[in-house]
Amino acid sequence: DAGITQSPRHKVTETGTPVTLRCHQTENHRYMYWYRQDPGHGLRLIHYSYGVKDTDKGEVSDGYSVSRSKTEDFLLTLESATSSQTSVYFCAAGLYTGELFFGEGSRLTVL
Amino acid sequence: KNQVEQSPQSLIILEGKNCTLQCNYTVSPFSNLRWYKQDTGRGPVSLTIMTFSENTKSNGRYTATLDADTKQSSLHITASQLSDSASYICVGYSSASKIIFGSGTRLSIRP
Repeated sequence: DAGITQSPRHKVTETGTPVTLRCHQTENHRYMYWYRQDPGHGLRLIHYSYGVKDTDKGEVSDGYSVSRSKTEDFLLTLESATSSQTSVYFCAAGLYTGELFFGEGSRLTVL
Repeated sequence: KNQVEQSPQSLIILEGKNCTLQCNYTVSPFSNLRWYKQDTGRGPVSLTIMTFSENTKSNGRYTATLDADTKQSSLHITASQLSDSASYICVGYSSASKIIFGSGTRLSIRP
């Protein structure tokens, strides 16, 4: 257990509402990532961070924003949730050439 | 284009039998390749890492191979157990800061 916790673990929301998912790590990893996982797709990178206040887009970043004000916390925000953002979201931490440590996932349903 | 392709998509075997999962990768410049195990409802966990110079590596009943010439990797599971039921994800790492996930193989072990 590399100390990656996600909250909330489950959330149901309505289209158009803002949603924030939180990822907290206790191992002081420099890199943190947000992925989404959908049936038929591998894990797809949404955004990642390479340090406090340093973030960059992944392959499916539209409709998402992130913030990292402390090493241990990485927030993913859906400004206005859509049904296409219904998914399981995973946070990970580690080094880009090394082992990634994943959280347990956050299941989001947008009605 | 960087990509990782896995086969088969799904596999069902009887408890105690062996199986082999395949991964073809196109990752440039190549750094290493990892196999992750993802139990249902959990985040992925790293099983093993393969670098360019390594051909075979074992982790208990799991043996990973890497052929850098053909750009293929395999994960062999010996004497399968019910707890091996999971998705197995092949992940390629490039030294250009890219992490490329395969779509995974869903393995089911039947008693």
